[in-house]
Amino acid sequence: GAGVSQSPSNKVTEKGKDVELRCDPISGHTALYWYRQSLGQGLEFLIYFQGNSAPDKSGLPSDRFSAERTGGSVSTLTIQRTQQEDSAVYLCASSSDRTTNNSPLHFGNGTRLTVT
Amino acid sequence: AQKITQTQPGMFVQEKEAVTLDCTYDTSDPSYGLFWYKQPSSGEMIFLIYQGSYDQQNATEGRYSLNFQKARKSANLVISASQLGDSAMYFCAMREGSRGGADGLTFGKGTHLIIQP
Repeated sequence: GAGVSQSPSNKVTEKGKDVELRCDPISGHTALYWYRQSLGQGLEFLIYFQGNSAPDKSGLPSDRFSAERTGGSVSTLTIQRTQQEDSAVYLCASSSDRTTNNSPLHFGNGTRLTVT
Repeated sequence: AQKITQTQPGMFVQEKEAVTLDCTYDTSDPSYGLFWYKQPSSGEMIFLIYQGSYDQQNATEGRYSLNFQKARKSANLVISASQLGDSAMYFCAMREGSRGGADGLTFGKGTHLIIQP
């Protein structure tokens, strides 16, 4: 498909385990974003990648969260030593141009993470 | 202070009526963009409409229009002739120009719209 692809769609893990969430952006999109959406809430910005530049990590809630983007394309969000408060939907988005305001973000369907 | 405020947590509207979803924003940046997204129960975020801070006219996309009142810092979404399929969460979002998109979009908490037959 041509949209943003995220995997897995659902992930249940035990408290204390590490998890990896994957995002494959739209081909040619240089900007990639991770957001977190807790139940019934809006979207919380986590991290932003632009091409191969150093990411903007200002939204990461703790040092247990990290992300990388290989080759300017696929991104992986890693949560170490998961806690129950990490349970949320993790949304990935990409956009084509970071230099203008009018480029909408195109979102994947998200990964629903449940920490038991 | 919140950058995006959506004051209606939930709304019930009769099918075929017009709906206005409120959004106010806060920024000191003269260059910004305003977006509306729809999130059905399936979870995907669907881009609906965009308004730029320098745009002279209100944006329209099919049944969606944006009532942009710059002096009031208001960007309400209007859905004409509502349909049952419009039932969803609606999020207002803003991108400020000074960071060149680095923060992506800042989202409001959303409005849960339910269209009743």
